[in-house]
Amino acid sequence: KQEVTQIPAALSVPEGENLVLNCSFTDSAIYNLQWFRQDPGKGLTSLLLIQSSQREQTSGRLNASLDKSSGRSTLYIAASQPGDSATYLCAVRPRQAGTALIFGKGTTLSVSS
Amino acid sequence: DGGITQSPKYLFRKEGQNVTLSCEQNLNHDAMYWYRQDPGQGLRLIYYSQIVNDFQKGDIAEGYSVSREKKESFPLTVTSAQKNPTAFYLCASKVPGREQFFGPGTRLTVL
Repeated sequence: KQEVTQIPAALSVPEGENLVLNCSFTDSAIYNLQWFRQDPGKGLTSLLLIQSSQREQTSGRLNASLDKSSGRSTLYIAASQPGDSATYLCAVRPRQAGTALIFGKGTTLSVSS
Repeated sequence: DGGITQSPKYLFRKEGQNVTLSCEQNLNHDAMYWYRQDPGQGLRLIYYSQIVNDFQKGDIAEGYSVSREKKESFPLTVTSAQKNPTAFYLCASKVPGREQFFGPGTRLTVL
């Protein structure tokens, strides 16, 4: 059964620092991997979608990489800002069993000014 | 503006009562999903529907029911058989090959 793990569970950094969030998954048979942001009490906002044939995707200060063979993805945030404070969730779409995503528990990021 | 709406934002349920959570989308997406989120946990799939008049159980479907009579709507009913329904419920939709879009969520509390 596919399992998704995110490390660390929480992270605190000063403003301006570059940081990396990690996501690992146990089964490399995936269609894609998606990174989301969630603010407290809110829904999820999609940040980046990486198809299984891709190695990375970039959007502004965010860069996500995918190494399907090793079951790993990283989300790199450059020049962090207090507005980046949120929970970041990683999810994979397995090749089997429909089209639903399997989520990690998230990394809660706090950026101090 | 296109998007997904969920109502109500907050919902309170008494013991033994059934309640229905609304999810509507105007994105013309075929697939819709319901997830449950508990504090400190990832999202868990309750039900999903890939097409009108068809839906499948997810990992935690017991105590829940859904219908998909229209493409735009995918309501979730939390029945009295769900023993621990207090959670944050999220609805999502997508088209094949694209990312999932989420609604703002409904927070359900059992009194």
